[in-house]
Amino acid sequence: EDKVVQSPLSLVVHEGDTVTLNCSYEVTNFRSLLWYKQEKKAPTFLFMLTSSGIEKKSGRLSSILDKKELSSILNITATQTGDSAIYLCAVPGYAGNMLTFGGGTRLMVKP
Amino acid sequence: DADVTQTPRNRITKTGKRIMLECSQTKGHDRMYWYRQDPGLGLRLIYYSFDVKDINKGEISDGYSVSRQAQAKFSLSLESAIPNQTALYFCATSDSRLPYTDTQYFGPGTRLTVL
Repeated sequence: EDKVVQSPLSLVVHEGDTVTLNCSYEVTNFRSLLWYKQEKKAPTFLFMLTSSGIEKKSGRLSSILDKKELSSILNITATQTGDSAIYLCAVPGYAGNMLTFGGGTRLMVKP
Repeated sequence: DADVTQTPRNRITKTGKRIMLECSQTKGHDRMYWYRQDPGLGLRLIYYSFDVKDINKGEISDGYSVSRQAQAKFSLSLESAIPNQTALYFCATSDSRLPYTDTQYFGPGTRLTVL
């Protein structure tokens, strides 16, 4: 059974801090790992990491895939209050592209 | 306009009632999914459909049924709602024709409360 575990469960930081969110996975036939940001309602797509694209960056957000350790990290530098959200990590399963999600990390950035 | 829409956005109902949640998309994607989200449990897959004639159970399909009326429409039904089906429900789509087909796009969610 595919499994995705995220840590920490929640995190409170102040604006300007740098945070690192963790995601570990166990999946048959790994293809990719996805990161989503969920603010008020629907998750929005951030990054997809694959064996051929193990590092992605967008502005203050970056993510790295460690296939050896079966894990990924999401880094946010110079955090802002608008970064407050739940961050979800997901991996597609063997059958089609059903996603198995981790439980999420709730990030709160205080002014 | 939003690419993936869900109706209703909020619904309160009573135990035993039949409820239908609807999802429509204008993205032209062939694949559609229904998830539920409960605090601390993340998103769990209920049903998924790879095309109009292909419907599959997900991780937690008991108590739910679906209908793919057209490529753009995927409905989720609770035949007899029970309180532990109180959750936030999301519809999502993806496109199998894209080089990397794993990215899913989510609707705004439906908050369902079963009393």
